[in-house]
Amino acid sequence: EPEVTQTPSHQVTQMGQEVILRCVPISNHLYFYWYRQILGQKVEFLVSFYNNEISEKSEIFDDQFSVERPDGSNFTLKIRSTKLEDSAMYFCASRAGGGATNEKLFFGSGTQLSVL
Amino acid sequence: GEDVEQSLFLSVREGDSSVINCTYTDSSSTYLYWYKQEPGAGLQLLTYIFSNMDMKQDQRLTVLLNKKDKHLSLRIADTQTGDSAIYFCAESAISGGYNKLIFGAGTRLAVHP
Repeated sequence: EPEVTQTPSHQVTQMGQEVILRCVPISNHLYFYWYRQILGQKVEFLVSFYNNEISEKSEIFDDQFSVERPDGSNFTLKIRSTKLEDSAMYFCASRAGGGATNEKLFFGSGTQLSVL
Repeated sequence: GEDVEQSLFLSVREGDSSVINCTYTDSSSTYLYWYKQEPGAGLQLLTYIFSNMDMKQDQRLTVLLNKKDKHLSLRIADTQTGDSAIYFCAESAISGGYNKLIFGAGTRLAVHP
């Protein structure tokens, strides 16, 4: 079965450093998402992306965050200057789109980001 | 705004049924979902229900939806130790024509012999 893949599975960085989290969505999917889960808390929506632009972003997704689809397969999340509170599990997700039968969101296994 | 609430913990004996409950706020949600998260793993879609349905059964899983009370439940029959995980309820929220999911905090299911 096709799956969303994320790399790396774990990322440790120093506060103030830039990180890029990488995702390869399912190949025929059109909608892409980033979510995050701080330890012990809810899974929170960060951003959705469609047709090469951000379609919606949450309050968490401030100027330090950016997303990009640099080629036909990758979808990246960049945090420009990491803060301690950015430590979380980051999940990428994708959806086929195109109507009611394609509402299912498929998640990757996540990247655990630790900011020291 | 949209919100999803779940109880945080449930403990059951192996072989018994588990019922995990969830309430949501957005009456316009078209789909409601149950995701499973095993330790160190990602979110696995277990099942989902369309908002015009009351019930959906999928092998050992039964989803019940009460739209009037905005209450969703997941029943796992004959619960096994392999069912131990965190179960997330999620509602779809359409904003500006684009779909996103709003998750609850997750219910940790512990299955003991």
